Amino acid sequence: GDSVTQMEGPVTLSEEAFLTINCTYTATGYPSLFWYVQYPGEGLQLLLKATKADDKGSNKGFEATYRKETTSFHLEKGSVQVSDSAVYFCALNLGGSYIPTFGRGTSLIVHP
Amino acid sequence: DTAVSQTPKYLVTQMGNDKSIKCEQNLGHDTMYWYKQDSKKFLKIMFSYNNKELIINETVPNRFSPKSPDKAHLNLHINSLELGDSAVYFCASSQDRLQAQHFGDGTRLSIL
Repeated sequence: GDSVTQMEGPVTLSEEAFLTINCTYTATGYPSLFWYVQYPGEGLQLLLKATKADDKGSNKGFEATYRKETTSFHLEKGSVQVSDSAVYFCALNLGGSYIPTFGRGTSLIVHP
Repeated sequence: DTAVSQTPKYLVTQMGNDKSIKCEQNLGHDTMYWYKQDSKKFLKIMFSYNNKELIINETVPNRFSPKSPDKAHLNLHINSLELGDSAVYFCASSQDRLQAQHFGDGTRLSIL
């Protein structure tokens, strides 16, 4: 079946450090890929997305590139802030009669 | 205006009771979802529904049932609540199953 694998957290960084959160997937077709962010006490929000191979999604300084050859969609940010502390979810959608598949989430903690 | 709204935000009840959680979206989306998030932030999809098709995650007990009075609403009804049902339940919507989802802020269910 379809699946999304994320690195386990928590990821703990100092402010202004470089961030990478790894995400790999298996899918029976050609999925759309997403990163969502969940701040404490809130629901998930879309952070960025990519719908086909080699697309790069970007938002708020975060980037991820859809790599079909490595079935990956790693999230990166050049300089994290304390306000980026949250849980990040990688997800894929195949559409049609498929239901979305989420990774287990990666907690990010950024210290001043 | 809130795009996806859930009520109640908190629900505390006793084992064996029946309860409902309401969800409304004002985005004009065709597809709605229910998710369960456990204490480790693991997100499990329970249902995906549009006006043509209900897709049920096969691992969801039949004590859980979605009810949709119209396209903008998808309520979750739970019979005979058990201790293991304690979690945060999220409603979400999307234009279709291939698009990004918009989440509500969650309903925190606690079973005594």
